[in-house]
Amino acid sequence: SQTIHQWPATLVQPVGSPLSLECTVEGTSNPNLYWYRQAAGRGLQLLFYSIGIGQISSEVPQNLSASRPQDRQFILSSKKLLLSDSGFYLCAWSVPGALSGNTIYFGEGSWLTVV
Amino acid sequence: LAKTTQPISMDSYEGQEVNITCSHNNIATNDYITWYQQFPSQGPRFIIQGYKTKVTNEVASLFIPADRKSSTLSLPRVSLSDTAVYYCLVETGANNLFFGTGTRLTVIP
Repeated sequence: SQTIHQWPATLVQPVGSPLSLECTVEGTSNPNLYWYRQAAGRGLQLLFYSIGIGQISSEVPQNLSASRPQDRQFILSSKKLLLSDSGFYLCAWSVPGALSGNTIYFGEGSWLTVV
Repeated sequence: LAKTTQPISMDSYEGQEVNITCSHNNIATNDYITWYQQFPSQGPRFIIQGYKTKVTNEVASLFIPADRKSSTLSLPRVSLSDTAVYYCLVETGANNLFFGTGTRLTVIP
């Protein structure tokens, strides 16, 4: 069966510090991978998605970046965090190449507080 | 991408049936309709998915009219543990999946 893990679960970082959130998927090959952000009490905002190694699409311009160094690894980074980067970050995956009915599966989430 | 519109919040008493409707006027021919449930501090999880007419599983039913411009998630006999945010998602199976703000369901004892 497929599993997805992301870490760390919680993180408190000062403004201007770097960020690295990591996500890995097991039990599937060449998944589509996603990073979402959810501010407190708000909906999910798609940040990045990837259809393959080194292929990253950004949905929202910001000071965050994503990388996919391996097939089932997705990393969210920032060189200098802003207060507005605080939120709940979710990694997710879906079956590659699905023509329809593409279900998305989420990780446990990472709470980031920028102070 | 088809945009979805849902009520921001709903309240229901325990044991009642709850129906949450989602509007998606610009749904495309290849789009499926998927509903997710999210509890606080957790990622959304899949509830049900359909293309047309009616789909039922052990958790919910999904009703989709012939024009597919809306869909209704039906939760039978809700309990307190069904308090969550419910998202309606319309997507073609493409690589980018967009969630709206969802409907916050509060079940009252």
